[in-house]
Amino acid sequence: EAGVAQSPRYKIIEKRQSVAFWCNPISGHATLYWYQQILGQGPKLLIQFQNNGVVDDSQLPKDRFSAERLKGVDSTLKIQPAKLEDSAVYLCASSPDWTANNEQFFGPGTRLTVL
Amino acid sequence: ILNVEQSPQSLHVQEGDSTNFTCSFPSSNFYALHWYRWETAKSPEALFVMTLNGDEKKKGRISATLNTKEGYSYLYIKGSQPEDSATYLCAYNAGGTSYGKLTFGQGTILTVHP
Repeated sequence: EAGVAQSPRYKIIEKRQSVAFWCNPISGHATLYWYQQILGQGPKLLIQFQNNGVVDDSQLPKDRFSAERLKGVDSTLKIQPAKLEDSAVYLCASSPDWTANNEQFFGPGTRLTVL
Repeated sequence: ILNVEQSPQSLHVQEGDSTNFTCSFPSSNFYALHWYRWETAKSPEALFVMTLNGDEKKKGRISATLNTKEGYSYLYIKGSQPEDSATYLCAYNAGGTSYGKLTFGQGTILTVHP
């Protein structure tokens, strides 16, 4: 079974530029998560999708971050414009559904550096 | 605001040593506690999902216990090997309307020296 795919793996941009990350979850998984992991901290949930609907985006900085999951499969996360404090690893995860005792399957992450 | 704390932040042990880490979480509104292992340049990998007070789970040389009444979980590694070097993350779910949302601790970085 193929795992969660993410691209790119690494990205370096200047502040005020835009950037987009892509995630392809495990086939058949209804729930998709985007996490931000800043160095020295645990991953923080940015947004959670159930199929193509948003379940939780309470911690997404909506003035600069946006995410979509068209057709309930792949997802993109965009930052526009980027700030220095956005430097982090962005992790995508998926699970069969949103029940809490389901493990979440993670991709390898995208390491973003904002200069 | 949910607070999940892990200790120690980092740990260096010799090959063959046994070690353990702690995860503290709110004891109210508990639903599930997850443990993940995250090796450098790889995807975080689920180790355990624990839901019952007193639960004990084991995978090879790694085991975990759960105390939901006092809000802590221990992860044990017996006979550490260099390949156990990784960041170990715990994550808490409060159930209810949290829809599977996990709140992670900051992780324990384990380095096993040959």
